[in-house]
Amino acid sequence: GENVEQHPSTLSVQEGDSAVIKCTYSDSASNYFPWYKQELGKRPQLIIDIRSNVGEKKDQRIAVTLNKTAKHFSLHITETQPEDSAVYFCAASRWANNLFFGTGTRLTVIP
Amino acid sequence: EAGVTQSPTHLIKTRGQQATLRCSPISGHTSVYWYQQALGLGLQFLLWYDEGEERNRGNFPPRFSGRQFPNYSSELNVNALELEDSALYLCASSPPPTGYNEQFFGPGTRLTVL
Repeated sequence: GENVEQHPSTLSVQEGDSAVIKCTYSDSASNYFPWYKQELGKRPQLIIDIRSNVGEKKDQRIAVTLNKTAKHFSLHITETQPEDSAVYFCAASRWANNLFFGTGTRLTVIP
Repeated sequence: EAGVTQSPTHLIKTRGQQATLRCSPISGHTSVYWYQQALGLGLQFLLWYDEGEERNRGNFPPRFSGRQFPNYSSELNVNALELEDSALYLCASSPPPTGYNEQFFGPGTRLTVL
């Protein structure tokens, strides 16, 4: 089955700096890579996703890059704000069916 | 539009008992997914149901089972509870699996096994 590794497990940045979270996957057939944000005590929510036919996708301060050859993808958050503080999960799947998640990154943005 | 709902919010059981968790998907969604979120382990895929059928299951023992009803709601049953089953169980739903569909998560059921 699919195995997703995520690094780092914790990340602290100063407000306004950028944050980068990296994930690798094992199943070359995976073609859908979402990122979820989970605030304390709340449900995970999709923040951005990318499909295997695209190398990069941006949505305001958030961007995701995908390198299919190396089987890794990354989340980039620019101009971080305190409300970005949360746990971020990457995931991989075939056709957006059952998701295989990384172990999460706890991001803390220091005001 | 109502989101995914789960019941109960909290459930306390003792080792060896059975637990039943329930999930109601967003209207129009036919797929229901169950995930286990144990402390420090992220979200682990448990089961996927679509149109009443089990489509896939994760690497969990057979005492984890479930079903999907004609109205697309779903139940997760955990038999012979063990201490390590204590976790947050999240349900997610998505539209029919004909393409890339976002999964929407419910608030979860926190199961504590004593």
